[in-house]
Amino acid sequence: NAGVTQTPKFQVLKTGQSMTLQCAQDMNHNSMYWYRQDPGMGLRLIYYSASEGTTDKGEVPNGYNVSRLNKREFSLRLESAAPSQTSVYFCASRPGTATGELFFGEGSRLTVL
Amino acid sequence: QQQVKQSPQSLIVQKGGISIINCAYENTAFDYFPWYQQFPGKGPALLIAIRPDVSEKKEGRFTISFNKSAKQFSLHIMDSQPGDSATYFCAASKEGGSEKLVFGKGTKLTVNP
Repeated sequence: NAGVTQTPKFQVLKTGQSMTLQCAQDMNHNSMYWYRQDPGMGLRLIYYSASEGTTDKGEVPNGYNVSRLNKREFSLRLESAAPSQTSVYFCASRPGTATGELFFGEGSRLTVL
Repeated sequence: QQQVKQSPQSLIVQKGGISIINCAYENTAFDYFPWYQQFPGKGPALLIAIRPDVSEKKEGRFTISFNKSAKQFSLHIMDSQPGDSATYFCAASKEGGSEKLVFGKGTKLTVNP
């Protein structure tokens, strides 16, 4: 039972470099999400996808782009990384609008130097 | 604008004691209030959730108390154990509406043996 799988788990970037965080879920969920977690700030929503083919901005979308590749996969791209994007990133999924439980991946720790 | 305010930021309790974490929300349209538990190095996982048609929900040692008029809800952990040491997040959302789940900033609970 893989659930929500994120890759990579750790990454170090230099300012200005780009990278993509990958997320895949095997629970046939409709909705997928990207959050960032910073000390004292809780979990902040970056982007979400309510269903395949749709994406919407969350609370902190600046500097990020997303792609809902198919029902299973939802990627987060940093086009030009900045030190302010140093964080732990979590992907999550849930069945749809009628249920509230989010299933999270184990996180991707990103450091931007 | 912080829609869900959580306190305290950190909490230290002795084994066997009661841990209490409080949350307050602003949006009266919220109708789903979950609590998530996160262990170090892991993603958050749903612990317990409540809807506003009940004032209390209990699952084992964990209880949510809900006060609709005060727009507050709290998590009580009875007979706290060292294994309960984790970060706890309250959250709120409106089912059937926005896909967004708004999180509090988290409470780091330490239960001393």
